[in-house]
Amino acid sequence: NAGVTQTPKFQVLKTGQSMTLQCAQDMNHEYMSWYRQDPGMGLRLIHYSVGAGITDQGEVPNGYNVSRSTTEDFPLRLLSAAPSQTSVYFCASGLSPYNEQFFGPGTRLTVL
Amino acid sequence: SQQGEEDPQALSIQEGENATMNCSYKTSINNLQWYRQNSGRGLVHLILIRSNEREKHSGRLRVTLDTSKKSSSLLITASRAADTASYFCATGINGQNFVFGPGTRLSVLP
Repeated sequence: NAGVTQTPKFQVLKTGQSMTLQCAQDMNHEYMSWYRQDPGMGLRLIHYSVGAGITDQGEVPNGYNVSRSTTEDFPLRLLSAAPSQTSVYFCASGLSPYNEQFFGPGTRLTVL
Repeated sequence: SQQGEEDPQALSIQEGENATMNCSYKTSINNLQWYRQNSGRGLVHLILIRSNEREKHSGRLRVTLDTSKKSSSLLITASRAADTASYFCATGINGQNFVFGPGTRLSVLP
């Protein structure tokens, strides 16, 4: 099993550009989530999904969209990138919010 | 606001010493989990303790849970330089989402 994969690993955007961060898991997990981590800080929940077709907002959803058309994939879209979105983004999956979460390696995003 | 809050924010110890980190949370939980993050990497699951458990061990790790105080502690015994990392507690809320505290940065000096 590949576990949780994220692409790209690094990305530089200009203010106003849009892009999609990809996340995929091959463990048939129903629960998937996106976090951002700013330097020296913990993880903040952006969006989460409890199954295909179901998504909901976390703590810091503004400026981000998600969709969950399949169990495996949970892409995160930045609609119009801002410097405040410079961060490391982690995708995670688990059987449920109550189970062990498996994390991807992260995407380091810089918005100029 | 964060569901879990770790304490201390940073901890520096000598190799061989024990390290204790604490976590407080606000709402009722199903379970509480501890994760480790090495610099620049994703998080790795360490241990899960259910709400009806009081103590759990895994190798050099010991976790306690006091639901009456809404707190948990993680003890790492006989620490090694490789234990240098950030440690986070996390809880699931209402079965819908999973929230982390800000973490404790542990430095183990050789």
